[in-house]
Formats: sequence, structure tokens, C-alpha cells
Amino acid sequence: AQSVTQLGSHVSVSEGALVLLRCNYSSSVPPYLFWYVQYPNQGLQLLLKYTTGATLVKGINGFEAEFKKSETSFHLTKPSAHMSDAAEYFCAVTGGGGFKTIFGAGTRLFVKA
Amino acid sequence: DTAVSQTPKYLVTQMGNDKSIKCEQNLGHDTMYWYKQDSKKFLKIMFSYNNKELIINETVPNRFSPKSPDKAHLNLHINSLELGDSAVYFCASSQEGQGGIETQYFGPGTRLLVL
Repeated sequence: AQSVTQLGSHVSVSEGALVLLRCNYSSSVPPYLFWYVQYPNQGLQLLLKYTTGATLVKGINGFEAEFKKSETSFHLTKPSAHMSDAAEYFCAVTGGGGFKTIFGAGTRLFVKA
Repeated sequence: DTAVSQTPKYLVTQMGNDKSIKCEQNLGHDTMYWYKQDSKKFLKIMFSYNNKELIINETVPNRFSPKSPDKAHLNLHINSLELGDSAVYFCASSQEGQGGIETQYFGPGTRLLVL
């Protein structure tokens, strides 16, 4: 069985500040982890994903995430927030090949000028 | 050259009506999905089809019936609409990659409001 917990349904940062969105997972098999972003009135878009190999994964728009097996975490970070980063962010986990993708409840990121 | 498209984008209807939402993907993917996103943004899978075969069928009322005429299309028909069906419905598709890991590509969503 798999599950995803995103800590904080809302996160607010100032423009230029560090963005940190937290994601913890549980999985009975080696996990494959994703971060998706949803802009208002749009569908979800893939930001980045971890499959195997390097645990620090770089995605689009300057975001990156680090897979930490010992902490069962896959937190999303960006060094400097931009107004255009304001959106809903979803962490997701799958076991691959036949396993469903399970999405977290989402974290709404607000960016203040 | 939209990858995953859904129609209609907005759907307002009365309780008890029957409605359909259509989804098409031009990515050549084998797997398609329907998700429901409620007002709190929680995203829950409803159905998944692989090459026109149903592979995931979550606990969804049988008023919801998916139909996949070919692997590029997955339509969702809803009978006897209820107030609680109001939500945003997303179609998605994926292609199983190396090791069976799929990135899902989402459509823009259909905003259903049942009055």
C-alpha cells in the first residue's frame, strides 16, 4: 500500500524567498515520486520525478527535490520564489507497473510581493 | 496540438440529468485515466483504461460509466446526476516507460456544477 502526506495545505512566502514544500510518503515497494503543479483553472503539469539513481532531482522552473529514503521524504524546494510560482502543488507516489499513482492533498503556494 | 483535450470545459446541469464528458489524447499513450478533484483540491482516481481495457475501477457509484472506443479516447458518462457530483473532472494519459514508471499528462479539466 502507498500513501502521501503533504505537510501544510497552504504555504506563503515572499518573492525572492526560499520555497519549501514538504512531502512524506509510505510505500511497500521502492517508490517512484513525482511533483506536479496546477495553475488556476488548469490541469496538472509534471514538475519533476524521481525514479532511480541520483536522489537530487531537478525540474522545470528552477525547482528541485531530494529523495531521502531514511526520512521517507521528497520535499520540493526553489531558492528564490517568483510571483508566477503561485499555484497548487501535488506530490505523488507510485510503485510502477500496475500500481496506482496516489496523490497528496496538495499544498497551495502563495507568493507575496 | 493539444496533448490531452476534454469537452466540455464547463458543464452546468440539473439534478437527475444524464451527461457525458469526452476526452481525447494525441500522444499515442496506452493508458488513460479519469480523476475527480473536489472543492478542497483533493485528487482521487476513478478509472483507468489500458488499451481499451478497464484496469482500475475505484469505489465509484455505478452511475459513472467510462467508455473507451479506442485507446485515444476515454469518455465518462454520468447518470442521474447528484449535487455531490459537482467537482472538476480531469482526464489524463500516460505511457508506461522504463521500469513501468509513468508520467501522467492531464487535460484542462471539466468543471461540473449540479444544481
